[in-house]
Amino acid sequence: GAVVSQHPSWVICKSGTSVKIECRSLDFQATTMFWYRQFPKQSLMLMATSNEGSKATYEQGVEKDKFLINHASLTLSTLTVTSAHPEDSSFYICSAQAVKNIQYFGAGTRLSVL
Amino acid sequence: GESVGLHLPTLSVQEGDNSIINCAYSNSASDYFIWYKQESGKGPQFIIDIRSNMDKRQGQRVTVLLNKTVKHLSLQIAATQPGDSAVYFCAEASAGGTSYGKLTFGQGTILTVHP
Repeated sequence: GAVVSQHPSWVICKSGTSVKIECRSLDFQATTMFWYRQFPKQSLMLMATSNEGSKATYEQGVEKDKFLINHASLTLSTLTVTSAHPEDSSFYICSAQAVKNIQYFGAGTRLSVL
Repeated sequence: GESVGLHLPTLSVQEGDNSIINCAYSNSASDYFIWYKQESGKGPQFIIDIRSNMDKRQGQRVTVLLNKTVKHLSLQIAATQPGDSAVYFCAEASAGGTSYGKLTFGQGTILTVHP
C-alpha cells in the first residue's frame, strides 16, 4: 500500500511553545490530506481537511488560529500547534488521499505539553 | 461530533477462531465504507473497503458485509491470529467530486486474540 510518513513520532514541549508536525506521502501525490486528533481509547476526530494550494477547511470547534495547516505541495502537509497548552496533549494523525482513493494514514505524533 | 468512547466494545477470541466485528453507521447517504486496524501507538492501517453497490467483499482472511437496509457493516476475520489483536474502526464516506471526501469513524472495537 501507499506510504505516509509522519514526523516526529513523539514530541514533548513546554507550555506556550509551538510545535510543527509534518506529513508526507512518499510514493504518491496526495490531492487531499486530513488531520485527526485521537484521545486515549477513543475514535479519531477529524480536525481539518487540506487541499494542496488552498486554505484548509476546519471542522466545527477546531480553532484555525491555533492549529495552523499548510499544504504547500502534493506530498507535504504540516500542522503547527501554536502556543501549546497541556490540554493540547494528544495523539495527532494525518492521512493522505489521492484522487478517488482511500486515505492512507501516518503513524501518528504523540504530543505531550508540560 | 466527538466520540465519547471511554469504554470501547471488546471482543476476545482464541487463536484460530473466526472473529466478527460489527459497526452501525449513521449516514444513509454514505456510499463508501472502510475498515481500519489500529495497533497501539500507531496510525490506522487500511484493511478492506466496500462501496454501497455491493453487499459483500472478500480479501485475504477478511470479509466485509454491508447491509444498507439497517445501516450495518461487519468485518469477519478468518482463523484469527495473535497479530490481529488491535482496535478495529469502521469508517464511512460519501463520494463527491474527485475524492471520497472526509471519513467519519465509528467508535472502534478492541479485538484480543489469545494464543
